[in-house]
Amino acid sequence: DSGVTQTPKHLITATGQRVTLRCSPRSGDLSVYWYQQSLDQGLQFLIQYYNGEERAKGNILERFSAQQFPDLHSELNLSSLELGDSALYFCASSVEKGTGDNEQFFGPGTRLTVL
Amino acid sequence: QKEVEQDPGPLSVPEGAIVSLNCTYSNSAFQYFMWYRQYSRKGPELLMYTYSSGNKEDGRFTAQVDKSSKYISLFIRDSQPSDSATYLCAMNSGNTGKLIFGQGTTLQVKP
Repeated sequence: DSGVTQTPKHLITATGQRVTLRCSPRSGDLSVYWYQQSLDQGLQFLIQYYNGEERAKGNILERFSAQQFPDLHSELNLSSLELGDSALYFCASSVEKGTGDNEQFFGPGTRLTVL
Repeated sequence: QKEVEQDPGPLSVPEGAIVSLNCTYSNSAFQYFMWYRQYSRKGPELLMYTYSSGNKEDGRFTAQVDKSSKYISLFIRDSQPSDSATYLCAMNSGNTGKLIFGQGTTLQVKP
């Protein structure tokens, strides 16, 4: 158990819908990262927040957005869902802001299925 | 061309064998190198974390980084059936927290 929690474990929804994925980092970690894992693309970095501020952005679609709240939990919002958004979504956390020492610990993931 | 290349396997070995897993990369800015283990439908678990070139050992696992060749390796000694999983290499430059992952190598250790 990494100490990173994610809810829900599974989500099944329809195209065009909007969902919210939630992540709680390890105690004491200030950075939260979101990754998408699909069979064809592998693990892809989406976005990073550090202590409430956006720190780095990957190839995140405009339909996707995220935020980190004052209690440091984070939410990833996915809207206008398409079949191709079906994937495993992982949250990771680290103590540091992503420069230098940056061990990232992953949560168990949310499996999203878009029908 | 992908920034990080990793042979997806599958790699099948008998119990007790030494396993060698490798990744190559193209971005010379990468400074930090990691190996994660991922069991089916689970989150990646951090196994090894190294900075710059050299070796690092932790129990049955040894990570090697050769920055001159842009090549990293993970060795598993005395492999066990419980080592059967997908092994992902990851790296970053240290400027941001963005990790670039390889595609993962699926390993099966047969009893």
